[in-house]
Amino acid sequence: QSVMTQPPSASGTPGQRVTISCSGSSSNIGSNVVTWFQQLPGAAPKLLIYENNQRPSGVTDRFSASKSGTSASLAISGLQSEDEAYYYCAAWDNSLNGFWVFGGGTHLTVL
Amino acid sequence: EVQLVESGGGLVQPEGSLRLSCAASGVIFSNYDMHWVRQATGKGLEWVSRIGVAGDTNYLDSARGRFTISRDNGKNHVYLQMNSLTAGDTAVYYCVGFDTLSALLYWGQGTLVTVSS
Repeated sequence: QSVMTQPPSASGTPGQRVTISCSGSSSNIGSNVVTWFQQLPGAAPKLLIYENNQRPSGVTDRFSASKSGTSASLAISGLQSEDEAYYYCAAWDNSLNGFWVFGGGTHLTVL
Repeated sequence: EVQLVESGGGLVQPEGSLRLSCAASGVIFSNYDMHWVRQATGKGLEWVSRIGVAGDTNYLDSARGRFTISRDNGKNHVYLQMNSLTAGDTAVYYCVGFDTLSALLYWGQGTLVTVSS
């Protein structure tokens, strides 16, 4: 089944802005909305961004996201130590019988 | 408050079976697509199966024919029957609910499945 590609790691210093990319294909990102999840150490994933760029209630506006064509990106501004986590993009894929595909995850380190 | 609580994980021998359950509360369950997503230790997230509000189902290729997802809207439960388990199925299994009206998604805390002799 299809793959969505994320960089395995990213890093930044407190206060910096970092971006995480997610590259897909016409059958997933190109056709459907992108969702982003944050997974803190030892915890279950949590919804960060839905419908490409919408923040759920309670998620700080330091997180933002966008989508263009078959790629998406997550931006984190004003980096804080508590942002250190894994970040996953996800999108429904219309190929075969249909399935939900996740990116491989990006580990964000706050230096 | 939306809560999803998984149960049914444990240690099972290769070729064995296990049935996972997920109890939803604080939701109008009939509006939710329900998914199972797994995560092997130290690995990323892998989607396993989905059941829609209409009962339509989708499966990961390696799960099709071995796993069966079902739902009971009266009990606010979703299930994953897993047969012919292999070591490759060892993971934490998360129940994920997608609210088809708001597009919000919610995760349970996960239940660990270990396939080993």
